[in-house]
Parts: sequence; structure tokens; C-alpha cells
Amino acid sequence: DTEVTQTPKHLVMGMTNKKSLKCEQHMGHRAMYWYKQKAKKPPELMFVYSYEKLSINESVPSRFSPECPNSSLLNLHLHALQPEDSALYLCASSQDSRPGGAQEGSQHFGDGTRLSIL
Amino acid sequence: GQNIDQPTEMTATEGAIVQINCTYQTSGFNGLFWYQQHAGEAPTFLSYNVLDGLEEKGRFSSFLSRSKGYSYLLLKELQMKDSASYLCAVRGKSDSWGKLQFGAGTQVVVTP
Repeated sequence: DTEVTQTPKHLVMGMTNKKSLKCEQHMGHRAMYWYKQKAKKPPELMFVYSYEKLSINESVPSRFSPECPNSSLLNLHLHALQPEDSALYLCASSQDSRPGGAQEGSQHFGDGTRLSIL
Repeated sequence: GQNIDQPTEMTATEGAIVQINCTYQTSGFNGLFWYQQHAGEAPTFLSYNVLDGLEEKGRFSSFLSRSKGYSYLLLKELQMKDSASYLCAVRGKSDSWGKLQFGAGTQVVVTP
């Protein structure tokens, strides 16, 4: 069990569907992240939120839309995805994302949502 | 750009020691992390180095040389459950504090 909770664990959707991935943490972390991970590859950063504001967008296609309703929650809204978007989507959180913030800032990962696009 | 290199796979026997090397070339440096990831599971944090030297945590130790752009993770008294992928990740310049650049991972196989 991890301290970062992601739902659902598995999701199968068609290319015309709209769905959302959810992530929750109660460690008081103020930075939250979305990663995409393909099989046998390292995680690739998609988005970073710091203090509920989007601070990094790694040129992610607009069919992925992040949202941070409050400091504990992070959503990823999905629309019109492509088969190549099938992957494990990992959420992570850390103490601080700002320069001069917490010196360690190790990221704690959730178990991920395994997404399959038909 | 950023480049992080680590071996693809290493095999060792139960009870042995394995050292996983990681070399990096990044624009700025604000810390190096090691994560363990079992197949189908989330990465879990193992260690953090920001100053030169050795950090020891039980059976796992991590070393950093900033001048050489080099780190290693040392796994002692290997157990079967240590079979996993080990990811080296570097945090670069301070204006991208939250951004970690991951290496491709080293698959460690522990045999009986």
C-alpha cells in the first residue's frame, strides 16, 4: 500500500470516450505530478503542480487535461485518446516543488492507473 | 540536454553484493535519487544524494561524486525480493525543481 492513492487501478476506454484519473494524498505535500510509463521504460514527466498551480507542462497533447482542485487532489481528464496513449499513468507527490524549498523533496508514487485505449 | 546512463541488466546470486552505476550529464544539479520498481508496481524511493559521499540505509547504500557525474547504488546481502528495476533519477537546475530526469533503469535479477 502507498500513501498516494490512485483510482481507478485499471481503465479501458474507446477513443471517443471522456474519462478522468484521480489521485489523492494526505501527507501535506504541496507538489503533485503526473507521469506516463510504458512497459520496460522509465516514467516520463507530464505535469507538475506546485501549490495547486501548474508549474510544468512537458508539451503534453491537449487531449490530456490536468486539474488540481485542492492541495490533496490531482485529476487527469482524458478525451479523444489514441491507442499509443495506452500506458501506466503514475501520480506522485513531494514536500515542495520550489527552488529553496524542502531539500530532499523525494517523490512518493501511487500504484498507478493502467490505461488501455481500444 | 540531459543524459543519464545505467546498465540495462545485472544478475547476481542470493546473499551477494551488486553495484549499479549511474552516470549523468545534466544542466545543473540539485540531487540524485534512486528508486526501486517491481514489475507492475509503483516506484519506491530508496535514497537521495546531493553532496559527495556515501549514504547508507541498511542493506542499501548510495554514493555520489558530483565532479565525475557519477553515482552508484550498492545492494548488500541480496534477497530474492530485491529482483526489480532500479531507477537513477537526477533533479536538474533549480528553476525546474520538481522535474526529475530518469535513467532507463537497471533490471536486477537475483538467482538462488
